[in-house]
Amino acid sequence: KNEVEQSPQNLTAQEGEFITINCSYSVGISALHWLQQHPGGGIVSLFMLSSGKKKHGRLIATINIQEKHSSLHITASHPRDSAVYICAVIDTDKLIFGTGTRLQVFP
Amino acid sequence: EAGVTQSPTHLIKTRGQQATLRCSPISGHTSVYWYQQALGLGLQFLLWYDEGEERNRGNFPPRFSGRQFPNYSSELNVNALELEDSALYLCASSLGLAASYNEQFFGPGTRLTVL
Repeated sequence: KNEVEQSPQNLTAQEGEFITINCSYSVGISALHWLQQHPGGGIVSLFMLSSGKKKHGRLIATINIQEKHSSLHITASHPRDSAVYICAVIDTDKLIFGTGTRLQVFP
Repeated sequence: EAGVTQSPTHLIKTRGQQATLRCSPISGHTSVYWYQQALGLGLQFLLWYDEGEERNRGNFPPRFSGRQFPNYSSELNVNALELEDSALYLCASSLGLAASYNEQFFGPGTRLTVL
């Protein structure tokens, strides 16, 4: 079993839909990253959080340390949100990555 | 402010050769991390350098090595290349050990192809 599990693996949506991607982890962590990877391979850090909730534009990330679970929400999804979303937990001094969720948003 | 830069963008080598990949962190960042993303696989942690020293390495053989220079830029060397080393190699930087855990910022990656 992977230390970081994401669901779903693949997700398709119509433009405007509300999207939720989930991340569960089994190790003790100090913080958690949500990353976005576009087809070219470049990775953008969306959030780093260790408690509660963060919001940036249409993106919201929440984390529940006791339940070892985090969610990434996208409100009013848009085709440009199509990418792979990766959850990564900080285990002492390195990142452990989930396998990613491939999101496709259709117009 | 310039982001993390990596060079080259693409690199083609043959089996048995050596590859050298380079990374320049964001100004002010002292930590550099290397990750491997093989085709169809997730990201795997390779190496972490901070203040010129190797702080941690992932589960990779010794032919994967690197160093960090006094200006905090870093090099990843892969010796005796094997076909399965073909992957996207990503570098990230963050504020270092002197701060509490910091967000990592990623470079665009170097795509290594081993023929």
